[in-house]
Amino acid sequence: SAVISQKPSRDICQRGTSLTIQCQVDSQVTMMFWYRQQPGQSLTLIATANQGSEATYESGFVIDKFPISRPNLTFSTLTVSNMSPEDSSIYLCSVKLAESSYEQYFGPGTRLTVT
Amino acid sequence: GQQLNQSPQSMFIQEGEDVSMNCTSSSIFNTWLWYKQEPGEGPVLLIALYKAGELTSNGRLTAQFGITRKDSFLNISASIPSDVGIYFCAGQNNAGNMLTFGGGTRLMVKP
Repeated sequence: SAVISQKPSRDICQRGTSLTIQCQVDSQVTMMFWYRQQPGQSLTLIATANQGSEATYESGFVIDKFPISRPNLTFSTLTVSNMSPEDSSIYLCSVKLAESSYEQYFGPGTRLTVT
Repeated sequence: GQQLNQSPQSMFIQEGEDVSMNCTSSSIFNTWLWYKQEPGEGPVLLIALYKAGELTSNGRLTAQFGITRKDSFLNISASIPSDVGIYFCAGQNNAGNMLTFGGGTRLMVKP
């Protein structure tokens, strides 16, 4: 597996502001993903973070709201823009060690509360 | 899109009891993964299943990939208090595709 860290671990933000979440992996990985877990709910994929190109977003998620960067094989950021209380969730980064691998490993998550 | 139905939604059991939970899908998956999430943490991968009919164990945990490729179950034997958490199943069609998660089973263990 891989050691995955996220910053911040939690934050309380005011509506209308933006927050950037960082994901750092201790080894180079081929694929990185961002998920959202709304309170008491399961995980929903936001996007696949692609190195050197635009992220691939799932239905219902757009780049203007959730811009993603992936400058190298160990780091990615997710920004939650123009936040509203509905954005209060846990945001999780996950990785695949190899493109052919089916297994995904998750970071500890960032707990976001928007007031 | 694909949906995974996971049951039960929650279980409150006595320490030492065995636990069983399952996931069913409206369509076929090529891989099933089982995760456990504890409060304040991200999901931790417990077991990965790659072949229809496959039965895999990890300590007190046993999971099976259904023959039809539309279902999977997870058993926990002789539960202990540290088994408390939310267990998620996830299915995947191929390595390049997204994981589809079940709704989760919240397990509570009474000492």
